[in-house]
Amino acid sequence: DAMVIQNPRYQVTQFGKPVTLSCSQTLNHNVMYWYQQKSSQAPKLLFHYYDKDFNNEADTPDNFQSRRPNTSFCFLDIRSPGLGDAAMYLCATTNQGQPQHFGDGTRLSIL
Amino acid sequence: ILNVEQSPQSLHVQEGDSTNFTCSFPSSNFYALHWYRWETAKSPEALFVMTLNGDEKKKGRISATLNTKEGYSYLYIKGSQPEDSATYLCASVTGGSYIPTFGRGTSLIVHP
Repeated sequence: DAMVIQNPRYQVTQFGKPVTLSCSQTLNHNVMYWYQQKSSQAPKLLFHYYDKDFNNEADTPDNFQSRRPNTSFCFLDIRSPGLGDAAMYLCATTNQGQPQHFGDGTRLSIL
Repeated sequence: ILNVEQSPQSLHVQEGDSTNFTCSFPSSNFYALHWYRWETAKSPEALFVMTLNGDEKKKGRISATLNTKEGYSYLYIKGSQPEDSATYLCASVTGGSYIPTFGRGTSLIVHP
């Protein structure tokens, strides 16, 4: 059974139209991460939460925001997607210092 | 080394060949090194967690070594099979933040 679930698997949105990606976990891990991964590049950390403490990477664009209403759920909001935001978005969870458990990712396309 | 670097970026081998790839990482304030396998249309899956200098881990035909003093880890696959085709990612974890930093991955394609 999947332990980190991302929805949707594929998301197509129009240039500038807000989009929300979701992630849920059944592992009760205290740390959750959002990564952006473009072809042949390393996954780039956008945000992470340690419990409810939100940590924004210094180079994450202001266009990207995140919410973690409880331990199980985390959302990535892209307020005005541009063509450069087309990517795979990965959610991962862990207990600090341990290897991460990833979801299957959401492939975002921008028209 | 400031970033995590993996080489080669991609690799094509024939079924039965043995292969290896490299992960280089900053050696200062080292906490752990993680290897993941990422198959197409699936989620990345942890292969190994390595913490001690000289560590050697093995899972079936796949093994990994760790040198924390010089900041590198090798992943070996013995007798590659088509089902080994995947991207292999390494992530370096430093003490203090415990946030993993990923390399770009090595894309392995094993031809039957």
